Amino acid sequence: DTAVSQTPKYLVTQMGNDKSIKCEQNLGHDTMYWYKQDSKKFLKIMFSYNNKELIINETVPNRFSPKSPDKAHLNLHINSLELGDSAVYFCASRLAGSQYFGPGTRLLVL
Amino acid sequence: EDKVVQSPLSLVVHEGDTVTLNCSYEVTNFRSLLWYKQEKKAPTFLFMLTSSGIEKKSGRLSSILDKKELFSILNITATQTGDSAIYLCAVDPGSSNTGKLIFGQGTTLQVKP
Repeated sequence: DTAVSQTPKYLVTQMGNDKSIKCEQNLGHDTMYWYKQDSKKFLKIMFSYNNKELIINETVPNRFSPKSPDKAHLNLHINSLELGDSAVYFCASRLAGSQYFGPGTRLLVL
Repeated sequence: EDKVVQSPLSLVVHEGDTVTLNCSYEVTNFRSLLWYKQEKKAPTFLFMLTSSGIEKKSGRLSSILDKKELFSILNITATQTGDSAIYLCAVDPGSSNTGKLIFGQGTTLQVKP
């Protein structure tokens, strides 16, 4: 199926650990994004890559590092996880102005 | 600072009712406004609006943009329980070609049988 996919869907981990979330899109889009959705359902952009190049880097702690090995993949690595990192993280890709979201990764930091 | 505000924040209606969701924005530039529906998982795309006064329609959902007054509305007629979701409004401020979207806080709609 053509889609934006993310793994894992759920991630439960201890404070201080390092974890990665993977995102892949087979839609042929050039631009990909990471968003964070907090407990109040507010979606906020974190990063964007266009053809493997970083184009948006919002005010995000440098514990978060995106990596784009190719234009179909955008992974998110988080170091030294903190309680406040608990949220749902969405990957998205963009074509002609509209963005298509992955299913989300629910991260819970204990 | 660019801002998108949605109202109401939550709404409870009965099946068959008609609802209107509001989205107002303040951005330095404007490229487009988008509406998304979020049920349990990912936001799914509904509409993209770029021009004032042109209604976009999909089944029982419709939306229109007013670029002079800086707002958009999303109408849902003859609501069904399956319309229960969070409706998100987002604006592409268009200051660069990054496609960066600024989201409102969402309207949670509950449709009771």
